[in-house]
Amino acid sequence: KAGVTQTPRYLIKTRGQQVTLSCSPISGHRSVSWYQQTPGQGLQFLFEYFSETQRNKGNFPGRFSGRQFSNSRSEMNVSTLELGDSALYLCASTADRPGTEAFFGQGTRLTVV
Amino acid sequence: QQQVKQSPQSLIVQKGGISIINCAYENTAFDYFPWYQQFPGKGPALLIAIRPDVSEKKEGRFTISFNKSAKQFSLHIMDSQPGDSATYFCAATILIYNFNKFYFGSGTKLNVKP
Repeated sequence: KAGVTQTPRYLIKTRGQQVTLSCSPISGHRSVSWYQQTPGQGLQFLFEYFSETQRNKGNFPGRFSGRQFSNSRSEMNVSTLELGDSALYLCASTADRPGTEAFFGQGTRLTVV
Repeated sequence: QQQVKQSPQSLIVQKGGISIINCAYENTAFDYFPWYQQFPGKGPALLIAIRPDVSEKKEGRFTISFNKSAKQFSLHIMDSQPGDSATYFCAATILIYNFNKFYFGSGTKLNVKP
């Protein structure tokens, strides 16, 4: 069974540009969550999706947006990039039953210069 | 409101020692308590997990102790090794209409000295 796949793995962007990150969940998982992690920091919750609907959104500016497609793949977009957006962006997928783990991808390392 | 509180933020342990990380939660409806291990540049991976009807679970050198009445749970790493040096996250989950909602602790950076 393939794991959670995030693309690209690494990205370098310039301030003011926009970026789109992709996440393919484990087959059969309809829940996808996104997290931002900066050096030495925890998992800052961005948003979560279930069956193409955004269920919750974290405390991030409107420049951060996301969506989920009918095949459960998800994308997140960051517009007007700032230096402080440099981080590891992680997505996780979970199954629709209690007592199950969240499976994380390897993350996308975004560097804004 | 932070649903899961984790401590300490960082921990230094000598090789062979015991590492202990603690978490406390608020919502008594949580139904699953996993611990994740994360190495630099990698995504977190499940280490060990426990359900609230069990007071202790052991897998190798890793043990979760769960105190339902105190709403606390902890991770014990026995005979800590330098290879255990990583960041550890506790979590609590609740199923809401087929949707698993996760709440993560703030993480503990463990450094095991040789």
